[in-house]
Amino acid sequence: GQQLNQSPQSMFIQEGEDVSMNCTSSSIFNTWLWYKQDPGEGPVLLIALYKAGELTSNGRLTAQFGITRKDSFLNISASIPSDVGIYFCAGQGGSQGNLIFGKGTKLSVKP
Amino acid sequence: DGGITQSPKYLFRKEGQNVTLSCEQNLNHDAMYWYRQDPGQGLRLIYYSQIVNDFQKGDIAEGYSVSREKKESFPLTVTSAQKNPTAFYLCASSRSSGQGAKQVRYGYTFGSGTRLTVV
Repeated sequence: GQQLNQSPQSMFIQEGEDVSMNCTSSSIFNTWLWYKQDPGEGPVLLIALYKAGELTSNGRLTAQFGITRKDSFLNISASIPSDVGIYFCAGQGGSQGNLIFGKGTKLSVKP
Repeated sequence: DGGITQSPKYLFRKEGQNVTLSCEQNLNHDAMYWYRQDPGQGLRLIYYSQIVNDFQKGDIAEGYSVSREKKESFPLTVTSAQKNPTAFYLCASSRSSGQGAKQVRYGYTFGSGTRLTVV
């Protein structure tokens, strides 16, 4: 099936540092979403983007819907230990309109 | 509060047995989905349903079956034909608007998952 390229695969950072991750696709998407998954739990929606060029913030998180509609990034500022988890991007694409998920970015934060 | 509930949280089964995972939502969402998650593999779509009494295969449907008799419920059966069933299973639901290629699927709401271990 269709896939998104999400990078980096994992990150090890110091508390207080900023984080950036991104997703790219060869196809155009109408919607980009960013989720966070804590260990042993289901993903939780962080930010939803519905328009090309849209820049949206949610607290320390900022995400953008790329102008080409083929990419999106998520930034986390001033990371804290509870930011630890796996972050997934997802785009709406394909004839059925189902979400396509990236493989995730595993974030580790050292206090 | 509305939400989506998966049960049980942990499930152990012997090889060769069928097992059914429960997923219930009270969000009045039309669409429901089942994903399988393995380490390093991300989320892979097993089956999805857009309306009651209708469902479609996802990318990895072999060895699985589903039913959608009620809007609120979308159980997944892992059959003995599934060669490697040990995994973390996630159910999700979403509301949507529009039809066909113009349909917009709003952010999925996920359950807390069921970890299935086959011994």
